[in-house]
Amino acid sequence: GNSVTQMEGPVTLSEEAFLTINCTYTATGYPSLFWYVQYPGEGLQLLLKATKADDKGSNKGFEATYRKETTSFHLEKGSVQVSDSAVYFCAHDNTDKLIFGTGTRLQVFP
Amino acid sequence: DTGVSQDPRHKITKRGQNVTFRCDPISEHNRLYWYRQTLGQGPEFLTYFQNEAQLEKSRLLSDRFSAERPKGSFSTLEIQRTEQGDSAMYLCASSLGEPGIYEQYFGPGTRLTVT
Repeated sequence: GNSVTQMEGPVTLSEEAFLTINCTYTATGYPSLFWYVQYPGEGLQLLLKATKADDKGSNKGFEATYRKETTSFHLEKGSVQVSDSAVYFCAHDNTDKLIFGTGTRLQVFP
Repeated sequence: DTGVSQDPRHKITKRGQNVTFRCDPISEHNRLYWYRQTLGQGPEFLTYFQNEAQLEKSRLLSDRFSAERPKGSFSTLEIQRTEQGDSAMYLCASSLGEPGIYEQYFGPGTRLTVT
């Protein structure tokens, strides 16, 4: 069936470290892929998306590339900040709805 | 526009009681979604509306759940005869169209606790 698998957290990093959060998906057809972020006390926000193979989504220094051959959409950032501490959700669309992963908590310490 | 709003933000109820949640989407958004999020999990799709028409319901939406969007604006989600397993965060989202093209904007959620 349709699903999203993310690496378990929490991911704990020092400020300015490199971040990777792995995400793989199972879907029929060619879904669009998304990363959503949930900051403490706030609602889910779209961070970035990619709609077709080899597309790269980017926002706020975060990037993710749609890899059809490996069914992956890993999230990366070259230098994290304390303000990036949040829960990150990978998702794909299935017909008219979103299918989310379980989320990965990122904690960045100064 | 102030974004998607949900009311109440928190609800504590006793098992067996009925509860109703409200969602006000962003103006002009014709799609409205309901998701449920339990602790440590991602949001799970429940149902969605295109204007006032309910177009899809998840198998998660048992007969005790009903959602309406009577005039294609705000929506309500009612849970009858609540059970402890209904305890979760209920999220509402709205958009201008399908997810691959239009962003879904999420509300802050209603946290339900069934005692």
